[in-house]
Amino acid sequence: DGGITQSPKYLFRKEGQNVTLSCEQNLNHDAMYWYRQDPGQGLRLIYYSQIVNDFQKGDIAEGYSVSREKKESFPLTVTSAQKNPTAFYLCASNNRGGGLGNTGELFFGEGSRLTVL
Amino acid sequence: GQNIDQPTEMTATEGAIVQINCTYQTSGFNGLFWYQQHAGEAPTFLSYNVLDGLEEKGRFSSFLSRSKGYSYLLLKELQMKDSASYLCAVHSSASKIIFGSGTRLSIRP
Repeated sequence: DGGITQSPKYLFRKEGQNVTLSCEQNLNHDAMYWYRQDPGQGLRLIYYSQIVNDFQKGDIAEGYSVSREKKESFPLTVTSAQKNPTAFYLCASNNRGGGLGNTGELFFGEGSRLTVL
Repeated sequence: GQNIDQPTEMTATEGAIVQINCTYQTSGFNGLFWYQQHAGEAPTFLSYNVLDGLEEKGRFSSFLSRSKGYSYLLLKELQMKDSASYLCAVHSSASKIIFGSGTRLSIRP
C-alpha cells in the first residue's frame, strides 16, 4: 500500500543527545515536510523540501537538521541545540497543487513522539 | 509576517450545526485546507479551497473569501465522533504550507 512511514513511533532521549527520526514515502511525491506539534497546539513547520537535494527552513528550524538525498526519504535530526525537543513530530508529503483534481493536500505519517528524559 | 487565527475551543450539540472560522494573513496564497485531527493521531484531509465560494462534501462544507482573508468550515448533523481538533492551513508560497493553532470542538449529547 502507498503511504508514509515514520519511525520510531516513540523515542526517549537523554539531554545532550542527537536523535534522527525517519520518514519514508512511496507515493512518488515531490515535496516533503516536517512539523512539530506540542500538546493542545497546531502544527509548526520545521523544514520542507520541494525536490531532491534541496530543502528550506520553516518557522522553527533552529536546533534541527534535515537531508533529502533520495526522493523517498526525508530524515529529521533533533540536535542537542534544540532546547525543548519533547513533542509530537509529523512528517508529510504532497505533489504540488495545480492540475485537474490535484489539490496539493498533505498526506501524513502516523507521527513520532519524542520525550527527553 | 504570516498569521492564521482560529478560535481555540468550541462546543456544540449532537445533531446541530457548527461553523469554525479561520482568518489568515500570509505572503502569497495558493489555497486553503481544512484538516481534522483526533487526539494522538495524524491529521486527515477534509477540504480544499482555492477560489472564492463554497465547497460542499457531505456533512462538511468549506467557504473561502480571498479578498477578506477568511474561511470557515461548516459541520452539519453533528455526531459524537466529530469531537476533534480542526486545523486550518494555508498554502502560502512555493511548497510552504502553514497551519493555524487549531480549534478543539467538543460535541455534547
